[in-house]
Amino acid sequence: QQQVKQSPQSLIVQKGGISIINCAYENTAFDYFPWYQQFPGKGPALLIAIRPDVSEKKEGRFTISFNKSAKQFSLHIMDSQPGDSATYFCAASIEGGSYIPTFGRGTSLIVHP
Amino acid sequence: DAGVIQSPRHEVTEMGQEVTLRCKPISGHNSLFWYRQTMMRGLELLIYFNNNVPIDDSGMPEDRFSAKMPNASFSTLKIQPSEPRDSAVYFCASSFSGHEQYFGPGTRLTVT
Repeated sequence: QQQVKQSPQSLIVQKGGISIINCAYENTAFDYFPWYQQFPGKGPALLIAIRPDVSEKKEGRFTISFNKSAKQFSLHIMDSQPGDSATYFCAASIEGGSYIPTFGRGTSLIVHP
Repeated sequence: DAGVIQSPRHEVTEMGQEVTLRCKPISGHNSLFWYRQTMMRGLELLIYFNNNVPIDDSGMPEDRFSAKMPNASFSTLKIQPSEPRDSAVYFCASSFSGHEQYFGPGTRLTVT
């Protein structure tokens, strides 16, 4: 059962462009939505996270947009740079529960110089 | 802080052999997670410990897999006997009663 669906599977963007990765979830009990960034040969690392009491969170060039009614959230990378080339995972979990996240399948982002 | 430490970083073994992966979580963290990552299945949670106690092992694929956490600073994931389909990158992650997980660098396992 895939509770968090992520798209696209891969994404190629030119330097300076906007990268957009989308996720949709099914379980309305989810109340914490992090994004992880994984470089080749490394473990995933938390990039940015949002709770459903806000519709948007921005940290530098990275923004999460959250649509509670549609049960969707997305990651926007503004002014994409070659150093942003990595695999991005969205996830969802329940605060106050076991904190076990449900991960999306990942998006491989390549930013061409 | 050194972060989550995993060893070995790479392991190549023959089918039927026992494999033991090791993890040292971040000091002070009370939750530990073992994941398996493959191209086909993405990131899969294998087992979750809280305060050294296994809480959820529903992701352990079969009896060939076992995990222990004898103390707060050490955990092992054992595969016996190993099979080629076990080839994957295995990650250990730790957290402190919260959502943010800190992942180790992973162990790339190849079973021939």
